Amino acid sequence: AQSVTQPDIHITVSEGASLELRCNYSYGATPYLFWYVQSPGQGLQLLLKYFSGDTLVQGIKGFEAEFKRSQSSFNLRKPSVHWSDAAEYFCAVGAGFQKLVFGTGTRLLVSP
Amino acid sequence: GAVVSQHPSWVICKSGTSVKIECRSLDFQATTMFWYRQFPKQSLMLMATSNEGSKATYEQGVEKDKFLINHASLTLSTLTVTSAHPEDSSFYICSATGTGGDNNEQFFGPGTRLTVL
Repeated sequence: AQSVTQPDIHITVSEGASLELRCNYSYGATPYLFWYVQSPGQGLQLLLKYFSGDTLVQGIKGFEAEFKRSQSSFNLRKPSVHWSDAAEYFCAVGAGFQKLVFGTGTRLLVSP
Repeated sequence: GAVVSQHPSWVICKSGTSVKIECRSLDFQATTMFWYRQFPKQSLMLMATSNEGSKATYEQGVEKDKFLINHASLTLSTLTVTSAHPEDSSFYICSATGTGGDNNEQFFGPGTRLTVL
């Protein structure tokens, strides 16, 4: 069965510090992997996606993620966090954009 | 990116009544719309997939007679929660994709908070 695990329910990072959000997946075929951000009152926004090719993918807002097949992971990173990055982050897996399976999310708090 | 709206953003209703939630694609034609349910501190769970002009496809465990989905036009899908009960209280999110097959990005609405008293 397909599943996504985000082991960290919430993370607090100081503004300007680096960030890594963890995501592990279980998928029977070649996975399509996604990271979304959810801010209050707004819909989920796609940060980046991995379909194939280069395993290090760049996204919007300075985020990047690395696909590691051997570890079934797709961790999200940002070198320097801004206060506006505080939000809920969801990792998802699917066959293309259809039938997405989401993780439980990680809430990012940014301290001054 | 494309914009998807939902109305209302929140609704409170009495147990036993029905509630309709609208999902609109504002600047593109949505051939497929998805409805999700999100419980506090939990993941988004796909409830159903609807294609314009067709009956919705429901995920296992979702009661189709309780959660009525209509996708009558390329810009509007509705979810009606019939005979709502307190356990139906949740955050309902829709998303929409345009034409082009599986690789079309899902654009998400801001969600509707339903509270059943």
